[in-house]
Amino acid sequence: QVQLQESGPGLVKPSETLSLTCTVSGDSVSSSIYYWSWIRQPPGKGLEWIGYIYYDGTTNYNPSLKSRVTISVDRSKNQFSLKLTSVTAADTAIYYCARITNRQHLGWFDSWGQGNLVTVSS
Amino acid sequence: DIQMTQSPSSLSASVGDRVTITCRTSQSISSNLNWYQQKLGKAPKLLIYAASTLQSGVPSRFSGSESGTDFTLTISSLQPEDFATYYCQQSYSVPYSFGQGTKLDI
Repeated sequence: QVQLQESGPGLVKPSETLSLTCTVSGDSVSSSIYYWSWIRQPPGKGLEWIGYIYYDGTTNYNPSLKSRVTISVDRSKNQFSLKLTSVTAADTAIYYCARITNRQHLGWFDSWGQGNLVTVSS
Repeated sequence: DIQMTQSPSSLSASVGDRVTITCRTSQSISSNLNWYQQKLGKAPKLLIYAASTLQSGVPSRFSGSESGTDFTLTISSLQPEDFATYYCQQSYSVPYSFGQGTKLDI
């Protein structure tokens, strides 16, 4: 049973960089079966896909965030990470990490972390 | 980008009711549509993937169907634990996108 757990600061100052890590247990980020993704949800609002990383390091980002986002993987720690630069109050959200199962050109988010609320404020 | 139009945005129902939530996509997505349930303060949970396949462990009262660019989530007989917010999501092309959500309450 795979488990994902986000970690990182709950408060980030405007213009600084938001950094979060997702630790995966029960599965490997080096598996070619899955993609590893970040999704966020502003308080009381809907879900926004941020991007994903594949085991070989291939990434894909939401164009709305692409200039500020980097997703990376640390295979030795079985973790993947999110960096979002130049944050503003609009980046205040619950950040989720999730696993994407991809099969025959179909994909779905089948496992999620519990979420990490990040508030952008001075 | 693929636009998702989910309706209704909110819905009041009673235990035992049959409920239908609809998601319309702006283009064909070849069954690449998933449904999630989110309870207050919790992460979303996968219910249906590939338009109509029930995720393991999800009760059979949940079902999904598609007709062209229209997708439907049906709950055949509402249970107390089903009151939550439901989202559709497409994985046909990036950027992946979600519907606006349907809040289902008593």
